[in-house]
Amino acid sequence: QQQVKQSPQSLIVQKGGISIINCAYENTAFDYFPWYQQFPGKGPALLIAIRPDVSEKKEGRFTISFNKSAKQFSLHIMDSQPGDSATYFCAASTSGSRLTFGEGTQLTVNP
Amino acid sequence: GAGVSQSPRYKVAKRGQDVALRCDPISGHVSLFWYQQALGQGPEFLTYFQNEAQLDKSGLPSDRFFAERPEGSVSTLKIQRTQQEDSAVYLCASSLSFGETEAFFGQGTRLTVV
Repeated sequence: QQQVKQSPQSLIVQKGGISIINCAYENTAFDYFPWYQQFPGKGPALLIAIRPDVSEKKEGRFTISFNKSAKQFSLHIMDSQPGDSATYFCAASTSGSRLTFGEGTQLTVNP
Repeated sequence: GAGVSQSPRYKVAKRGQDVALRCDPISGHVSLFWYQQALGQGPEFLTYFQNEAQLDKSGLPSDRFFAERPEGSVSTLKIQRTQQEDSAVYLCASSLSFGETEAFFGQGTRLTVV
């Protein structure tokens, strides 16, 4: 059962552009929503995370927008750089428990 | 090192062989998770330990999969009688304590069953 749906599957943006990745979840018990970045041959690394008591969280060029009523959240990467080219996963959990991941988005930022 | 360490990085097994994958979590981390990541997919939960106690093994796909963490630190994931569908990257993650949300992942072990 896919509890976290992620789109798009792949994304190509130009350097300096905005990358937007969307996720939707089903389980209303989820209360922690992280985004992970994964480079080839590496494990996922936490990028930014949000809890449902806020609608937006910004860290540098990365912003999470969260819509609790719609059960959706998104990652925005401002001023995208070639070094941002990686696979991005959204995830959800009920505090401290197992993570349920989306299917992943392969981001390519062209120079 | 300061991170989660997994070994071996790569493992090729003939179908029917048993394999053992090792995870060294960050020192002092209480919680330890195993995930399976198929090619082009997101990681999927296998099992969870809090110290030496295996609190959730609902994600293990069959009784050929077994995990242990006898002293509450290093963990081993064992797969018996490997099948081709077991080919995947096996990721280990640890977090400081139960309820601590940030999980740190190792680089994974890529298992190929031929």
